[in-house]
Amino acid sequence: NAGVTQTPKFQVLKTGQSMTLQCAQDMNHEYMSWYRQDPGMGLRLIHYSVGAGITDQGEVPNGYNVSRSTTEDFPLRLLSAAPSQTSVYFCASSYSIGRGQTTEAFFGQGTRLTVV
Amino acid sequence: DQQVKQNSPSLSVQEGRISILNCDYTNSMFDYFLWYKKYPAEGPTFLISISSIKDKNEDGRFTVFLNKSAKHLSLHIVPSQPGDSAVYFCAAMASGSRLTFGEGTQLTVNP
Repeated sequence: NAGVTQTPKFQVLKTGQSMTLQCAQDMNHEYMSWYRQDPGMGLRLIHYSVGAGITDQGEVPNGYNVSRSTTEDFPLRLLSAAPSQTSVYFCASSYSIGRGQTTEAFFGQGTRLTVV
Repeated sequence: DQQVKQNSPSLSVQEGRISILNCDYTNSMFDYFLWYKKYPAEGPTFLISISSIKDKNEDGRFTVFLNKSAKHLSLHIVPSQPGDSAVYFCAAMASGSRLTFGEGTQLTVNP
């Protein structure tokens, strides 16, 4: 039982490049989400999904795209990287208790992204 | 609009003493509150939670207190240990929806 697995752990991109951050969970959780962590700002929600085929925007969605084709995977795509997207990205999953409600989230180890 | 606020970026305590981390919130719809702990280069891990129908929840050395009228919660760690040194995030949710996090407090426990 690996929990939430994120790849890669580190990445450097040039401005304008695109890439996909991978996230997979093996806990059969319906609810998955992506956060970014910036100094002094805590964790801010980018996108989330309440189940396969369903995604929605969080607090800071601009410049990011997500899809949820399976319960296990929730990739985050940066369409055209910008220096403002330099951050640490965390994927999380949680168990749904029905009607869109969830319990505490389990986090991956994070991806440190630098855009130059 | 920061709905969950941790006003102390850092806290330093002596080993064996009590650590008290504070968190304030503005959204009266929040009904479930959580504390996460984060070590460097790792993801946050769930520590303890409390429902709005309670005012206290205890788990070993960790106790969370909720004061709904003041929209304030606190995490008490006693006794504090050097291994408790980490960033602590307060988080809240309304009706089991998405989590809203505070900015985090860096706790340092000195031997």
